Amino acid sequence: QQQVKQSPQSLIVQKGGISIINCAYENTAFDYFPWYQQFPGKGPALLIAIRPDVSEKKEGRFTISFNKSAKQFSLHIMDSQPGDSATYFCAAVISGGYNKLIFGAGTRLAVHP
Amino acid sequence: SQTIHQWPATLVQPVGSPLSLECTVEGTSNPNLYWYRQAAGRGLQLLFYSVGIGQISSEVPQNLSASRPQDRQFILSSKKLLLSDSGFYLCAWSVSDSLKFFGPGTRLTVL
Repeated sequence: QQQVKQSPQSLIVQKGGISIINCAYENTAFDYFPWYQQFPGKGPALLIAIRPDVSEKKEGRFTISFNKSAKQFSLHIMDSQPGDSATYFCAAVISGGYNKLIFGAGTRLAVHP
Repeated sequence: SQTIHQWPATLVQPVGSPLSLECTVEGTSNPNLYWYRQAAGRGLQLLFYSVGIGQISSEVPQNLSASRPQDRQFILSSKKLLLSDSGFYLCAWSVSDSLKFFGPGTRLTVL
């Protein structure tokens, strides 16, 4: 019940295309859902985050869509660029207390020029 | 602004040798601190977290230990490294809300 399932494991997109990464969770106590971007050899960096009372959040080319009833959320990268090539992790957490993030397994995105 | 430092950046150690990885945070007080491990091509596994000096919680039984001797210092240790301890070790911090900020990581190779 503590798991976050992420798909696909890897994704290849042409420059200018839309990258879509999906995540699903079981624990309805999760109340915060961040996405992280990680470049090789670097630590993950917070990209964008959403709370379940919002169905969509957009920051630049990055959009999170959230479906509370289905317990699913997804990251959309519009106009994907080669510089977006990285590993993306979704996560879920129950706010307060120890703030233990539960991560998905990650999606390796490659954007080809 | 807040910054998080980890060292060393890379480390190659023989099996059975000790380990000490250090993490320090600047620009914040009383952070929650975390150690994660990332195996090659895999996700992030939470190893330890700390909500205060001397307070350590372990998420998984393993060959590693953690200590928090100061408010903004978090140390990951081992008395005898195993091959399976190889990986990318990440320190992270958070304050009040659910955000976590990660350090640059330490690449550990055990031979």
